[in-house]
Amino acid sequence: DGGITQSPKYLFRKEGQNVTLSCEQNLNHDAMYWYRQDPGQGLRLIYYSQIVNDFQKGDIAEGYSVSREKKESFPLTVTSAQKNPTAFYLCASSAQSGNTIYFGEGSWLTVV
Amino acid sequence: DAKTTQPTSMDCAEGRAANLPCNHSTISGNEYVYWYRQIHSQGPQYIIHGLKNNETNEMASLIITEDRKSSTLILPHATLRDTAVYYCVNASKLTFGTGTRLQVTL
Repeated sequence: DGGITQSPKYLFRKEGQNVTLSCEQNLNHDAMYWYRQDPGQGLRLIYYSQIVNDFQKGDIAEGYSVSREKKESFPLTVTSAQKNPTAFYLCASSAQSGNTIYFGEGSWLTVV
Repeated sequence: DAKTTQPTSMDCAEGRAANLPCNHSTISGNEYVYWYRQIHSQGPQYIIHGLKNNETNEMASLIITEDRKSSTLILPHATLRDTAVYYCVNASKLTFGTGTRLQVTL
């Protein structure tokens, strides 16, 4: 079944711990994205990658890190430097930047 | 900055057409306008996109003004399942904004 898989769906972490959210796609897309969504708010771009081994900061990259070692994978690490990490995180991909974006089902991160 | 502007919320009676406007006055001539919708706590879903011409698919119609400064997404016969947040997006900018919360009622 083709698509974008995010894991885990729900994640709880203690304050000060780093946490990595997984995102895998089997759509053979070059571009991948990470968005953050807070309750009642729109989507804000954290990082995006247009091609393997390359990525750029989005609007709210501080406190986050990514890697793009494989075309199908774009993991996001929420570091302890992120002041308010509790949020809904969405991974997405598109054939190329500017094309239709397809989203995963999201991951809920709660930091206590 | 090529931002889009949408009303915060709209209501529509079931069976009626829902017309959702979007202003994108600073969009460039070669930038597509995309529409997505997000049902609570799910990933956004693609609806339709266009550049200059009006577009129609099985989900909706997209009307783009001749000057490309605004567009309207039309759901011809809204159902309760169309209740969602609708985003108008400048594809090249990757920004989604806060969208329009459409409430379809009986």
